Amino acid sequence: DTGVSQDPRHKITKRGQNVTFRCDPISEHNRLYWYRQTLGQGPEFLTYFQNEAQLEKSRLLSDRFSAERPKGSFSTLEIQRTEQGDSAMYLCASSFLGQANTEAFFGQGTRLTVV
Amino acid sequence: TQLLEQSPQFLSIQEGENLTVYCNSSSVFSSLQWYRQEPGEGPVLLVTVVTGGEVKKLKRLTFQFGDARKDSSLHITAAQPGDTGLYLCAGADTGRRALTFGSGTRLQVQP
Repeated sequence: DTGVSQDPRHKITKRGQNVTFRCDPISEHNRLYWYRQTLGQGPEFLTYFQNEAQLEKSRLLSDRFSAERPKGSFSTLEIQRTEQGDSAMYLCASSFLGQANTEAFFGQGTRLTVV
Repeated sequence: TQLLEQSPQFLSIQEGENLTVYCNSSSVFSSLQWYRQEPGEGPVLLVTVVTGGEVKKLKRLTFQFGDARKDSSLHITAAQPGDTGLYLCAGADTGRRALTFGSGTRLQVQP
């Protein structure tokens, strides 16, 4: 078990460009979460999948953001027409259905800088 | 909207001192987790508390869940420089599967 893996670790992009991040959860975990964290703040929830179904989306997830988990394994988060305000750490976490305590295990994150 | 407030926001202490970090909410949570995060890394799960009044110990760290399951505390005994980091509490309720995080307590332990 290698834990939750995120790629890339760092991304610098010009305003207006599209970016895509990937998350590979812990293999037996069927719940996957995306969070965003800005400097000095705790992580803010973006969206959540159970298997391939996207069950919840935050108001923070504007129409420029889209997330997929096509086969119920890895997930991608795409941001279209990036803005400077999108600069943040994007964190992925996974947990196991049937675990009542919603313990989530996080990846190392993707730090996005929009210039 | 559920909110978790952590205090203090920043704490700088000398090695060997004790400290307590608080996590408070007006909402009831079915469980509460504590995470530690280092710069540029993702949060690492330290402990989960589930039962009101529950106390869990992890070496020099003691975690307590309030009787009403609305608040929690983290106490560190004889802090060491390796304890330096951002401590985050996160709550889950039965209606949502996603965690709600506090804004964190940044701890600096000076040698």
